[in-house]
Order: sequence, then structure tokens, then C-alpha cells
Amino acid sequence: GAVVSQHPSWVICKSGTSVKIECRSLDFQATTMFWYRQFPKQSLMLMATSNEGSKATYEQGVEKDKFLINHASLTLSTLTVTSAHPEDSSFYICSASPSGTDTQYFGPGTRLTVL
Amino acid sequence: AQRVTQPEKLLSVFKGAPVELKCNYSYSGSPELFWYVQYSRQRLQLLLRHISRESIKGFTADLNKGETSFHLKKPFAQEEDSAMYYCALRGYFGNEKLTFGTGTRLTIIP
Repeated sequence: GAVVSQHPSWVICKSGTSVKIECRSLDFQATTMFWYRQFPKQSLMLMATSNEGSKATYEQGVEKDKFLINHASLTLSTLTVTSAHPEDSSFYICSASPSGTDTQYFGPGTRLTVL
Repeated sequence: AQRVTQPEKLLSVFKGAPVELKCNYSYSGSPELFWYVQYSRQRLQLLLRHISRESIKGFTADLNKGETSFHLKKPFAQEEDSAMYYCALRGYFGNEKLTFGTGTRLTIIP
């Protein structure tokens, strides 16, 4: 149990386009989901905390208008990278906590490459 | 500000030898500490957390508040322990944010 999926697993896009990444909790409901970014050989950096039915909480230095987060249901959160640029190329990982618990379960990640 | 430091990026240990992955933290209050593991081509998963005080796959970790450390230990390394290990911290102020260290890649030499 407690499986988190991400779609797509990898995506290549042109500079200036927008890309949407989905994070789903497959067998549990998650009031809270988290979005991380990981550069090569570096640690996971929390970008934002996604709360179902309310606005996401962004970490300092993360542009809200660039990284749009929508958590419309208890099993789905989406991250949209708007007007993507090559420097946005990274590995994006989501995690989700079953409602009422504080254990985070991680998705497999999405590798974004912006040309 | 909360910070997690893993001083070793790479660690190689012979099979059967003891393993210790170091983790130090800085946090003004009482933190909750975790170890996460990522095996090759798999997702990040929780290995253990300090409040559970349990041994998972032979690994243990003790929170030392005096030294602000949470080192991960195993007395006898096994080949399947080869993986990337991340130490993480979460504060105790109703905030679920996890702060990760930079990770240590452990390689067990047969």
C-alpha cells in the first residue's frame, strides 16, 4: 500500500512552453502533497507544499507564477512549469502523506529536459 | 534555519564489515530525524525514524542531541545495502516540511 505515482516519468519540451506533471496517491487519500526538485548529485529541495482545496505554500525563492500547483482532489496534485527554460531542467519528485499521518511516500520522479 | 549535513558523498565498505553513515543537523528546537534510502532505479523510501527506535534491515540510528548527530549504523554490511542514503530532519512546530542532506552513496564491496 501507500503508492504514489507520477506522470510523465520523463518529458522533453521546447523553451517557452509549459509542462504539467501529475502526482497521484493510488491507494490512499492525501490532504497534503509535497513537490521537490533535485539537481544532479544534489539533495532534494522542497519547492512547495500542496494542500487539497487551498493554495499551495511555496518555499522561499520559488516563483509561484512559474511553478503552478493545483491540488484539486485528495488523490491528485499537479505541478505546471510555465514558460519553461533550460535552467528548469531537473528531476521533480512529489510525495504524499496519507490523511491523518505524517509519513511521506515518494513518487518515482519526473525528469524534465527543456531544450 | 534547519540544516542537515552528510559529510561523506561516497562510502565504500567491504561485505561483512561495519557501516556508519554520518549525519549532523542544526535546528533550534527538538527535531524529528529520518533516514531515507534509494536503491538503484527505485524511488526514495523511508528506512527509519528516530522516534520509532527500531532496527530496519539491520540498520539502527540513535539521535544524539548533545552532538546533534543521527548516524546510521549496521554491524555487518550486505551487498544489498548498496544504495543512496539521505538523512532528513523535520521540525516539531506542526510543520511537515522535510529538510534533506546531500546524501551518501554507499557501495558494498563483495
